[in-house]
Amino acid sequence: NAGVTQTPKFQVLKTGQSMTLQCAQDMNHNSMYWYRQDPGMGLRLIYYSASEGTTDKGEVPNGYNVSRLNKREFSLRLESAAPSQTSVYFCASRATGTGDTGELFFGEGSRLTVL
Amino acid sequence: KNQVEQSPQSLIILEGKNCTLQCNYTVSPFSNLRWYKQDTGRGPVSLTIMTFSENTKSNGRYTATLDADTKQSSLHITASQLSDSASYICVVSGRGGGGNKLTFGTGTQLKVEL
Repeated sequence: NAGVTQTPKFQVLKTGQSMTLQCAQDMNHNSMYWYRQDPGMGLRLIYYSASEGTTDKGEVPNGYNVSRLNKREFSLRLESAAPSQTSVYFCASRATGTGDTGELFFGEGSRLTVL
Repeated sequence: KNQVEQSPQSLIILEGKNCTLQCNYTVSPFSNLRWYKQDTGRGPVSLTIMTFSENTKSNGRYTATLDADTKQSSLHITASQLSDSASYICVVSGRGGGGNKLTFGTGTQLKVEL
């Protein structure tokens, strides 16, 4: 089972460039999330989508945009990358509603470096 | 402000030894607490969940405890193995919300050596 799949796994950008991180889940989960993980800090929520067609800001949304393309896919876009966005990005999904145990299922992460 | 604090920040133990990781939280109202294991270069994976009414729960060599009165949890690893080397993250869920109500600790980095 694939679970949560993120692409790309690694990316190097120059300041000002744009890029999109892709995420897809095959568990029929309603909710999807984007987190960033930096050394010495806990995972921080960037944006989330509680259900298809809805998105909401998390703790650190500045500089990012998201699209919930359909129930399976949730993308994260950096319009003008900055060195402060160098981080490891994780996509996660969660069942919510019937069958929800509260467990997040994470992808393998996307390591982004902005020069 | 909701906070989750984990200790120690890092830990090195010899294979076969036991260890205990701590998690203190101030999240209120409390719903549940999860421990995740994150291998280097991978995403976190859930080990166990503790709800308000649960004191102890085991998952193989991992045993989690919860004291909801003092707002503390621990994760005890018995007879450690090299494969236990990872970061262990405590995540507390506040009642009444979805994934946006989760508060993450910064993790304890465990290294198991021969």
